[in-house]
Amino acid sequence: AQKVTQAQTEISVVEKEDVTLDCVYETRDTTYYLFWYKQPPSGELVFLIRRNSFDEQNEISGRYSWNFQKSTSSFNFTITASQVVDSAVYFCAETTGTASKLTFGTGTRLQVTL
Amino acid sequence: NAGVTQTPKFQVLKTGQSMTLQCAQDMNHNSMYWYRQDPGMGLRLIYYSASEGTTDKGEVPNGYNVSRLNKREFSLRLESAAPSQTSVYFCASTWWDSGANVLTFGAGSRLTVL
Repeated sequence: AQKVTQAQTEISVVEKEDVTLDCVYETRDTTYYLFWYKQPPSGELVFLIRRNSFDEQNEISGRYSWNFQKSTSSFNFTITASQVVDSAVYFCAETTGTASKLTFGTGTRLQVTL
Repeated sequence: NAGVTQTPKFQVLKTGQSMTLQCAQDMNHNSMYWYRQDPGMGLRLIYYSASEGTTDKGEVPNGYNVSRLNKREFSLRLESAAPSQTSVYFCASTWWDSGANVLTFGAGSRLTVL
């Protein structure tokens, strides 16, 4: 069965600090997809990134970067120079290649203060 | 574009009452999903509809029924609400049921069962 673990329940940082959110997944599938979603205080779910199991390249988008390592079954998310607007709950999720049914982690609440 | 629209946004029920959560998407998507979000548990799949005319159980289907009314609409019904169904419910949709596709989520419906 698929499982996604986000061991960090809550993280507090001061603005401009870098922060890494951990995600560890379990799957027996050869083809799978990994996702990160952001849930700001307003409650909606905002898609951040999708990565397939055949693409281990790291990705950078502005202040956001993602480190995908199949050897450790991890897909970690780093925010560089955090800002107050980054305060949210962040979910990591996984699905198989054949279906869009996401398995979510329990989420990490990030609090960025001035 | 409205995307995925859920109604109602908030609802309070008494134990044993019934209600239907409505979901509609205007993106011509084929696949639709219902998730529930509980504190500390992430999002869990209740039911999904891979295409018009089909529905399948997800991880936590007990106590719920669904109807794929047409391609646009996918409703979730609680026949006899229980306090354990107090949660935030999210509807989502995507082009077709494949891991490569990104889910678009609605804004959520907060349900409280007293």
